[in-house]
Amino acid sequence: QQQVKQSPQSLIVQKGGISIINCAYENTAFDYFPWYQQFPGKGPALLIAIRPDVSEKKEGRFTISFNKSAKQFSLHIMDSQPGDSATYFCAASIAGNTGKLIFGQGTTLQVKP
Amino acid sequence: EAGVAQSPRYKIIEKRQSVAFWCNPISGHATLYWYQQILGQGPKLLIQFQNNGVVDDSQLPKDRFSAERLKGVDSTLKIQPAKLEDSAVYLCASSDSDRGLGEKLFFGSGTQLSVL
Repeated sequence: QQQVKQSPQSLIVQKGGISIINCAYENTAFDYFPWYQQFPGKGPALLIAIRPDVSEKKEGRFTISFNKSAKQFSLHIMDSQPGDSATYFCAASIAGNTGKLIFGQGTTLQVKP
Repeated sequence: EAGVAQSPRYKIIEKRQSVAFWCNPISGHATLYWYQQILGQGPKLLIQFQNNGVVDDSQLPKDRFSAERLKGVDSTLKIQPAKLEDSAVYLCASSDSDRGLGEKLFFGSGTQLSVL
């Protein structure tokens, strides 16, 4: 029940295309859902985050779609660029300790020029 | 602002040896975390400090792992004795509020540990 399941494991997209990564969870106590981006040899960095009281959040080319009833959320990267090539992790945490993140397995994105 | 500093960057040891990692968080960040990232997996929280007190260490293998945060600033994570399955990247993070949404974690580049 504490797991966050992420798919796909890897993704190849052409430059200018849309990248979509999906996550699902079981624990209804989860209250905070961030996405982190990690480049090789670096630590993860926060990309965008959402709470379950909204269904969508957009920041630049990055959008989170959230479906509370299905317990699923996804990251959409519009106009994907080669510089977006990285590993993306979804995560979840409960209210009261949003720093205690349960991470998904990660998706390695490659954007081809 | 300066980021989270970690050292060493790489460490290779033999099983049953001991090893220690050091972390200096972003100035002013009260909360510090140690996460373990095994190759091909997402990070897993080992221990969380608020100032120099432990908030959560439920996933820390306490028979071999220990951590401290003296004076509420720097922190060290120790493994003694190491096992093969401890091979991973050990990430330190500190946090600040993300516009009231939740805690925004700032991760260091990690220490890559190989246990032979």
